[in-house]
Amino acid sequence: KAGVTQTPRYLIKTRGQQVTLSCSPISGHRSVSWYQQTPGQGLQFLFEYFSETQRNKGNFPGRFSGRQFSNSRSEMNVSTLELGDSALYLCASSLGLAGGPWNEQFFGPGTRLTVL
Amino acid sequence: TQLLEQSPQFLSIQEGENLTVYCNSSSVFSSLQWYRQEPGEGPVLLVTVVTGGEVKKLKRLTFQFGDARKDSSLHITAAQPGDTGLYLCAGRWGETSGSRLTFGEGTQLTVNP
Repeated sequence: KAGVTQTPRYLIKTRGQQVTLSCSPISGHRSVSWYQQTPGQGLQFLFEYFSETQRNKGNFPGRFSGRQFSNSRSEMNVSTLELGDSALYLCASSLGLAGGPWNEQFFGPGTRLTVL
Repeated sequence: TQLLEQSPQFLSIQEGENLTVYCNSSSVFSSLQWYRQEPGEGPVLLVTVVTGGEVKKLKRLTFQFGDARKDSSLHITAAQPGDTGLYLCAGRWGETSGSRLTFGEGTQLTVNP
């Protein structure tokens, strides 16, 4: 069974640009959550999508957005990039909503975004 | 906003030594998870604890959930270089399906041969 895949793995952008990251969940998983990981802040929750609807949202500005398609694949978009957006962006998939303690989330390897 | 504190932030030990990593909150967790993350990879779930006082073992790793469900610890016995990685605790507060997972900043463990 294939794991969670994220593309691209590495990305370099300049300030002011926008970027789209992609996540393909494990087959059959309907929930996709996105996280930002930085050395100073650790892993921070961005949002969760389930059945094409955003179900939960973290404390990030509106420049961060996402969507989920009917095949459960998800994309995350960051507009007007800032230097502080440099981070590892992780997505995680689970069978159901990620809120239940036994509903295990499986993480992808992440996309390393560098903003110059 | 619930906060989750993890300590120590960095730990460098010799092969064969024991170590303990701590995870604390001022609020009661509904559940807590421990993950390990290796360079270039996403976190991998090690264990989920739900019941206060619960102890779970995974080979040389022992996970304990505090009686009051406000703290947890991860103890590694006879650490090996393969244990090197970032250990993350992640907690949930609240019983609804909308309760998000909040991560600690992690403990970077290095086990030297």
